[in-house]
Amino acid sequence: KNQVEQSPQSLIILEGKNCTLQCNYTVSPFSNLRWYKQDTGRGPVSLTIMTFSENTKSNGRYTATLDADTKQSSLHITASQLSDSASYICVVSPYNAGNMLTFGGGTRLMVKP
Amino acid sequence: SAVISQKPSRDICQRGTSLTIQCQVDSQVTMMFWYRQQPGQSLTLIATANQGSEATYESGFVIDKFPISRPNLTFSTLTVSNMSPEDSSIYLCSVVPGGQGGYNEQFFGPGTRLTVL
Repeated sequence: KNQVEQSPQSLIILEGKNCTLQCNYTVSPFSNLRWYKQDTGRGPVSLTIMTFSENTKSNGRYTATLDADTKQSSLHITASQLSDSASYICVVSPYNAGNMLTFGGGTRLMVKP
Repeated sequence: SAVISQKPSRDICQRGTSLTIQCQVDSQVTMMFWYRQQPGQSLTLIATANQGSEATYESGFVIDKFPISRPNLTFSTLTVSNMSPEDSSIYLCSVVPGGQGGYNEQFFGPGTRLTVL
């Protein structure tokens, strides 16, 4: 069964600090891997999308990395802000699965002042 | 990109009743999906809303419980029928606009938070 596992489940950091969220997946082969940010009570918003051939993708203070050999991805947040408090979801699109997505359970990040 | 709105944004309903959730997109899209997100969980795909034909349901979801309409390329509804407290969730509409350079990026609506008493 295709799975996407994220760690940690939750994380608390101080404003201004950096953090890294992890995603391990068994989906293979896959077309792309995405990171979404979901604010409480809102729908997920795309942060980055990487194909299997890409190693890194940045979006402002968010940088995602991908190691297709070890089937791992990470999302690094630099100089965290209070507005970064949200759930971050790793999503993998299996190859030839059309628009079907496999969702991770998410990491709930809280940034404290 | 696509701008998606959902109505209602939240509702509190009595068990045994039904609620219809509307999803409106600001542009024509080929693919529309309905997801459920139970408290503290990630998203689970309910069905693909097909324009002009019956929706395609995922395992564990049936049309009698979650009837879906998609009369055109910008609008869809999801009905949660004969509700029970286990149906308390956030229901999200999602679209794939196409023309995303091969990424088929999915955009999500703001969700409808449903509480069943």
